[in-house]
Amino acid sequence: GAGVSQSPRYKVAKRGQDVALRCDPISGHVSLFWYQQALGQGPEFLTYFQNEAQLDKSGLPSDRFFAERPEGSVSTLKIQRTQQEDSAVYLCASSPGPPTNEKLFFGSGTQLSVL
Amino acid sequence: AQSVSQHNHHVILSEAASLELGCNYSYGGTVNLFWYVQYPGQHLQLLLKYFSGDPLVKGIKGFEAEFIKSKFSFNLRKPSVQWSDTAEYFCAVTRLYNNNDMRFGAGTRLTVKP
Repeated sequence: GAGVSQSPRYKVAKRGQDVALRCDPISGHVSLFWYQQALGQGPEFLTYFQNEAQLDKSGLPSDRFFAERPEGSVSTLKIQRTQQEDSAVYLCASSPGPPTNEKLFFGSGTQLSVL
Repeated sequence: AQSVSQHNHHVILSEAASLELGCNYSYGGTVNLFWYVQYPGQHLQLLLKYFSGDPLVKGIKGFEAEFIKSKFSFNLRKPSVQWSDTAEYFCAVTRLYNNNDMRFGAGTRLTVKP
């Protein structure tokens, strides 16, 4: 597609529910990133994929967060047993890939509200 | 890990005023520096970037930023703002040889009054 696509655009979950957030990167982009943006804050790094390999997951806040990119294109961020503190905008970004990942192309994000 | 501080949370200017948004980073090694902008209802997009060479970099829409290594700063400037510059501005940094974990500042919201 023309840009990074994320779905759903909005997600409301009851505390304890599992959610899955989808990211379609720009076709051919090797690198894929997930960020969490809380209200009034900048994006916080969660995890990074190079093709299907998850090379860095140091930003995932707990073991309730899990990300995958099995075929090196579409990625899913899963949050199990959601908590209120998980409420945020989840941003996906892609880039053509290393050696430089300097220009990230961001999606519009999924706004998650946990009640 | 590297981190980024943006000093101004919300800046309000009138059209034609000059703009300077502060950004400081903390990391002892060589870094790449960026400014991203998010217009209302739109996604984040790259405004400008610094990798090496001339510390004064020019970006889109008349924006520029100056890298001052001794001050660990990368301030964003524009001589004359327009109403359409109303947006949220984020400073970001990556390490030179490990740029998979771009770190963002908390952002500065700019409101330009017509």
